[in-house]
Amino acid sequence: DTGVSQNPRHKITKRGQNVTFRCDPISEHNRLYWYRQTLGQGPEFLTYFQNEAQLEKSRLLSDRFSAERPKGSFSTLEIQRTEQGDSAMYLCASSPAGTWGSPLHFGNGTRLTVT
Amino acid sequence: DQQVKQNSPSLSVQEGRISILNCDYTNSMFDYFLWYKKYPAEGPTFLISISSIKDKNEDGRFTVFLNKSAKHLSLHIVPSQPGDSAVYFCAASHAGGTSYGKLTFGQGTILTVHP
Repeated sequence: DTGVSQNPRHKITKRGQNVTFRCDPISEHNRLYWYRQTLGQGPEFLTYFQNEAQLEKSRLLSDRFSAERPKGSFSTLEIQRTEQGDSAMYLCASSPAGTWGSPLHFGNGTRLTVT
Repeated sequence: DQQVKQNSPSLSVQEGRISILNCDYTNSMFDYFLWYKKYPAEGPTFLISISSIKDKNEDGRFTVFLNKSAKHLSLHIVPSQPGDSAVYFCAASHAGGTSYGKLTFGQGTILTVHP
């Protein structure tokens, strides 16, 4: 069990640039989640996939954000035209589907700094 | 609108004593509750959970209590150890249907256990 893997660990970008993060879930997990955490706050739900289908998106996810999970394996989260307010830790998590009460397994996150 | 609140930003405890972390929620639809622990530069790690049909769940040194009428839960750690020093997040979800992975987190409590 290699756990949930996220790359890169850190990303520094200038305002207005596009960035993309990758998440590799635990291999047998068909649910994948993206969360965002800012300083002093708990993680906030952004979106989740079951296999390749994106089933729910938070109102927090503006039009500049897009997530994909081609073939139901890894996922990418892209932020276009980054703003300073996008600076945060972006966390990916996975879980088995259809297992009520199965907790989410989180990766170590990608820390984004927008200058 | 903070649906899950952890009103104590920090807690300091002596090694061997009991640590009690508290959490309040406002959404009556929440029926599944979890505690996560987070070390610096790592993602949250699942600790223990409880469903709304129970009022207590125990796992080794960790016990979670749920008081549905008060919309309050607590995590007891006994005996506390220096390795327990971390940020603890309370989380809740409405597990019915497909949303059990969509967690709402509290702001976290920093626990420091002194040797």
